[in-house]
Amino acid sequence: QKEVEQNSGPLSVPEGAIASLNCTYSDRGSQSFFWYRQYSGKSPELIMSIYSNGDKEDGRFTAQLNKASQYVSLLIRDSQPSDSATYLCAVITGTYKYIFGTGTRLKVLA
Amino acid sequence: EAGVAQSPRYKIIEKRQSVAFWCNPISGHATLYWYQQILGQGPKLLIQFQNNGVVDDSQLPKDRFSAERLKGVDSTLKIQPAKLEDSAVYLCASTHILQALNYGYTFGSGTRLTVV
Repeated sequence: QKEVEQNSGPLSVPEGAIASLNCTYSDRGSQSFFWYRQYSGKSPELIMSIYSNGDKEDGRFTAQLNKASQYVSLLIRDSQPSDSATYLCAVITGTYKYIFGTGTRLKVLA
Repeated sequence: EAGVAQSPRYKIIEKRQSVAFWCNPISGHATLYWYQQILGQGPKLLIQFQNNGVVDDSQLPKDRFSAERLKGVDSTLKIQPAKLEDSAVYLCASTHILQALNYGYTFGSGTRLTVV
């Protein structure tokens, strides 16, 4: 089992729709969770972090964390073509390792 | 605040040649990381420095990869000899170690290595 798993996609959504990206992790002791956006040919950039169960909202982005089920998700409301990118989930495990998932490629169709 | 600087941006070498990458972290960031990102995969940690000491190099292929961070600031990553499977983007990131728990990393623009 991979430490951080994501569906590689591509996930295609129409412009204006909600995009839902999911991530599961294996270490129950994991404590911090991050979502990065990576445009093709560019470096990852941090867009959201979450540490507590529940939802955290920032503009059009909402991160959701469920530690009991060991998953974290990212919702993007009113998706725009400019949101088309690969979204990487990252987890700081109980042993303080910073592990990235393989990323989900999102395509927002105009 | 200046970002993480990396050079070169691109490098093409033949297999069995050697190559070196350079990283200058954000001023004051004691923690520096080198990641390897193969196309279609997430970044994989190669080595983590705290100041000029190595914290984690468990995934660094030490038979061919080496890294150093003299004086606790700039860092270089070297591959000798290179293999075809080393073709990837090499990302450098820096942070304050406590900030990493809350705020994640700042990445440099990366070096895209192609081994032919």
